[in-house]
Amino acid sequence: DIQMTQSPASLSASLGETVTIECRASEDIYSNLAWYQQKPGNSPQLLIYDANSLADGVPSRFSGSGSGTQYSLKINSLQSEDVASYFCQQYNNYPTFGGGTKLELK
Amino acid sequence: QVQLKESGPGLVQPSQTLSLTCTVSGFSLTSNSVHWVRQPPGKGLEWVGAIWSGGSTDYNSALKSRLSISRDTSKSQVFLKMNSLQTEDTAIYFCTLHTVALYFDYWGQGVMVTVSS
Repeated sequence: DIQMTQSPASLSASLGETVTIECRASEDIYSNLAWYQQKPGNSPQLLIYDANSLADGVPSRFSGSGSGTQYSLKINSLQSEDVASYFCQQYNNYPTFGGGTKLELK
Repeated sequence: QVQLKESGPGLVQPSQTLSLTCTVSGFSLTSNSVHWVRQPPGKGLEWVGAIWSGGSTDYNSALKSRLSISRDTSKSQVFLKMNSLQTEDTAIYFCTLHTVALYFDYWGQGVMVTVSS
């Protein structure tokens, strides 16, 4: 199985700040990477697919980048509604997820 | 529109069998694949398994010996059965749909399953 290591596990940031979350795969996943946002009590929602493609309806302050084994999710100009947990997921092989990042407001 | 809804017992005794149903609408099971993903309370996500559009299945290797996924296309339902449940199987179980590649565009609301005596 491909292991996904996500960092940091938790993050505290101020409104308007830029936030970056990292995900590292145990082998090359050829940009077959998605990012999800999950708010408390809700199901995960797709944010990014193919490492850098924005899902429908996702604000443009979210962006994804990376290649090979290293990927990142960036949130520009943090808004209060962005408080959530974020998960990466590879789909180069059977799906596996990162451990998650809990984003809070400072 | 696409909808998925999980149902099943909230409480299962240790060593017993879990049976969950995912009822879908807005798409055909013969043209799309449905997956199960679970999330222990306060923890991350784990892919459980899938039933593909052709009816074949794949399972998480760590769960394979205890797991069965099937479907009834006439009722637009997908079923998950997991035996020999342990407390570590306590989780929210989601059914999900992928439409293009193996990322999940649509999710059900999830059903909380607690394994406890």
